[in-house]
Amino acid sequence: GIQVEQSPPDLILQEGANSTLRCNFSDSVNNLQWFHQNPWGQLINLFYIPSGTKQNGRLSATTVATERYSLLYISSSQTTDSGVYFCALTLINQAGTALIFGKGTTLSVSS
Amino acid sequence: DGGITQSPKYLFRKEGQNVTLSCEQNLNHDAMYWYRQDPGQGLRLIYYSQIVNDFQKGDIAEGYSVSREKKESFPLTVTSAQKNPTAFYLCASSTGGLEGSYEQYFGPGTRLTVT
Repeated sequence: GIQVEQSPPDLILQEGANSTLRCNFSDSVNNLQWFHQNPWGQLINLFYIPSGTKQNGRLSATTVATERYSLLYISSSQTTDSGVYFCALTLINQAGTALIFGKGTTLSVSS
Repeated sequence: DGGITQSPKYLFRKEGQNVTLSCEQNLNHDAMYWYRQDPGQGLRLIYYSQIVNDFQKGDIAEGYSVSREKKESFPLTVTSAQKNPTAFYLCASSTGGLEGSYEQYFGPGTRLTVT
């Protein structure tokens, strides 16, 4: 089946630093999502980015589907950025669709 | 306002009891999903439903059951056959590819503890 690997598994930053999170996947995909899971467990949609580059404030994401990876950039990090970041691919078959998740990158931002 | 609601937020049960977790959405989405998350892990798919009255097993369906009698509702029952039911359960929905998007949106989750 499709494998999704995220790196690094853990990241510790000082407030104001920039970071890059990586998601590698084993098969060509049509759809990729990035999520932020806050300390209460809520999954917040960051990007739906099958290919190309998107930006939303201090966050941006790039997916290069032909090379099977996606990057999430966080600039000028804040303590509220702390949490777990997941990438997930959409698996499409005759029965429907579902997400395949990586194990996540745990980000800790300190002031 | 539109969204996905899950209830209750915390649930405690004794071993051997069945328990049903609620998931409701008012986004008019056709597809709904149940995922399980264990500490330090990503989410794993339990069941999904593309349309009303139809659902499919995911990767870890054993010990769980679902129904999809209404478009907006997709309850999950954790049965006594589930060997390790303590976990965080998340419900999601999407248009299922209609309108060209497969983007999924998640509810706030239910933390189930079985002792």
